[in-house]
Amino acid sequence: AQSVTQLGSHVSVSEGALVLLRCNYSSSVPPYLFWYVQYPNQGLQLLLKYTSAATLVKGINGFEAEFKKSETSFHLTKPSAHMSDAAEYFCAVRWGGKLIFGQGTELSVKP
Amino acid sequence: GAGVSQSPRYKVAKRGQDVALRCDPISGHVSLFWYQQALGQGPEFLTYFQNEAQLDKSGLPSDRFFAERPEGSVSTLKIQRTQKEDSAVYLCASSSDWVSRELFFGEGSRLTVL
Repeated sequence: AQSVTQLGSHVSVSEGALVLLRCNYSSSVPPYLFWYVQYPNQGLQLLLKYTSAATLVKGINGFEAEFKKSETSFHLTKPSAHMSDAAEYFCAVRWGGKLIFGQGTELSVKP
Repeated sequence: GAGVSQSPRYKVAKRGQDVALRCDPISGHVSLFWYQQALGQGPEFLTYFQNEAQLDKSGLPSDRFFAERPEGSVSTLKIQRTQKEDSAVYLCASSSDWVSRELFFGEGSRLTVL
């Protein structure tokens, strides 16, 4: 079975600072990987996805993620945090026709 | 419809009651998924449909949970004899793309069992 590990259940950054949210996956085959964002009392919204094309994937709201096979990682970054980025972020991997999600990382942005 | 619609948004049930949660997927999406999200946790897979066929129900936690999608569109998740541990947000998602499996989520149904 595949799994996803998100390091750090809570990350706090200052507005304008770099955002780095970590995700590692377990997979013996090339994976499809996703990052979703969830705002309070809302469903999940797709930020970006990796489907074995370019290893650097750009998403919405200035987020991007880099697929590193050697490290089995798919970390999410944003150069400059904005207050509106405060939310819960989930990494997911496709397996067996469904998505398997990590436990999530809550991002707080301080003014 | 324009997005995935779920109802009710909030449901309070007494322990032992039966509940039914409805999902209306994006028009034309053949795949439909149900996930359970406990407080502070990531979504956990329950079941999924390809059209009306339930292809995977390995995530259903017990035989009290039942899902159907009789006409390949709207789906209902039914929970019989609810227990306190069933309290969670139930998320529905649909997808049109088999290859990448990009899911579009509804806002969820929050179930509280007293």
